[in-house]
Amino acid sequence: GQQVMQIPQYQHVQEGEDFTTYCNSSTTLSNIQWYKQRPGGHPVFLIQLVKSGEVKKQKRLTFQFGEAKKNSSLHITATQTTDVGTYFCAGQGSTDSWGKLQFGAGTQVVVTP
Amino acid sequence: DGGITQSPKYLFRKEGQNVTLSCEQNLNHDAMYWYRQDPGQGLRLIYYSQIVNDFQKGDIAEGYSVSREKKESFPLTVTSAQKNPTAFYLCASSLRTGGSTGELFFGEGSRLTVL
Repeated sequence: GQQVMQIPQYQHVQEGEDFTTYCNSSTTLSNIQWYKQRPGGHPVFLIQLVKSGEVKKQKRLTFQFGEAKKNSSLHITATQTTDVGTYFCAGQGSTDSWGKLQFGAGTQVVVTP
Repeated sequence: DGGITQSPKYLFRKEGQNVTLSCEQNLNHDAMYWYRQDPGQGLRLIYYSQIVNDFQKGDIAEGYSVSREKKESFPLTVTSAQKNPTAFYLCASSLRTGGSTGELFFGEGSRLTVL
């Protein structure tokens, strides 16, 4: 079945630095979503990517969907302490697999001032 | 304010007991979901429902049951058959957009501990 792998599992970042988290699927995805979960909180939707090669930006966050629609990345520039949390990707296989998002294990981000 | 309400926030139960977690939404979403989250792991889908009186098993449905009698409500029962029920349970809802699952709106979660 479809599997979504996310790396790294843990990222320790100095404030002001950039970092990237990667998401890889064993199968082609119809779309991929990204969520952020603050410590002690619940996941909050960040973005959805649908098109091959799509790039979307939200302020300091840049999301990319691979050409083959099997991988995605989230790049954060000039990290701030407010970026602390765990970032999850969630992929949907075919449109027939509606409702069955496969979540990666997440990248836990710790930011030191 | 629109949103998803889960209760209770914390729950303790003894082995062999069933427990029901409540999930209510006022977002007028057709689809609702239950996920389980364990430390260091992603979210795993337990059950999901597209419309009232219909639901499907997710990846880890064994030991759980659900009902969808009303659009707003999707309660989850953790039965005594669930071997390792201690976990953080998250309810979510979404508007279906064509073939895409759509953005998931999550509740604040229920943390279940089996003593």
